Amino acid sequence: DQQVKQNSPSLSVQEGRISILNCDYTNSMFDYFLWYKKYPAEGPTFLISISSIKDKNEDGRFTVFLNKSAKHLSLHIVPSQPGDSAVYFCAASALGGNTPLVFGKGTRLSVIA
Amino acid sequence: DAGVTQSPTHLIKTRGQQVTLRCSPKSGHDTVSWYQQALGQGPQFIFQYYEEEERQRGNFPDRFSGHQFPNYSSELNVNALLLGDSALYLCASSLGGIGDTQYFGPGTRLTVL
Repeated sequence: DQQVKQNSPSLSVQEGRISILNCDYTNSMFDYFLWYKKYPAEGPTFLISISSIKDKNEDGRFTVFLNKSAKHLSLHIVPSQPGDSAVYFCAASALGGNTPLVFGKGTRLSVIA
Repeated sequence: DAGVTQSPTHLIKTRGQQVTLRCSPKSGHDTVSWYQQALGQGPQFIFQYYEEEERQRGNFPDRFSGHQFPNYSSELNVNALLLGDSALYLCASSLGGIGDTQYFGPGTRLTVL
């Protein structure tokens, strides 16, 4: 039973356009959500997080939106750059974020120049 | 400021053998979590160490054990290796409090033949 789902295994976007990566979750106890980016042969790199008390968090080109009623979150990257090409993981946890992270399977983003 | 480091980078073992993987947390972090990432999957939580004790554990058999040292570094031990243990093993460090982000190391790629 997958508690965090990333239903798009891959996504291709042109450089300069917006990339939207989606994530759904099933566990109502989750209250902290994170996005990680992973390049080959490297560990996941933390990108941005959001607490369930917010519905939006922005950091530079990256914005995460949380829709609690739909149990859905999305990561927007604007504008997309070729260096953004990587696998993006959505992760969730309960009780504020230092509890075990539950990850989705990831979405491979390709930004085409 | 060094980030999370892991050793070795790669490891090849045969079925039935035992393996020890090592992790040094980011400076100032006192909590270490271990995750297993199989091919095409997101990382799965194995266990978390805080104050030299296992604080939480995921759904992994007792063949997986760990240790945390007074300097907060950690080891992951896997006994009686199975082919299915082949994966990328990731270490993440964080502060012990609620709400702190987990930062990942580059991982150790374990291949069991």
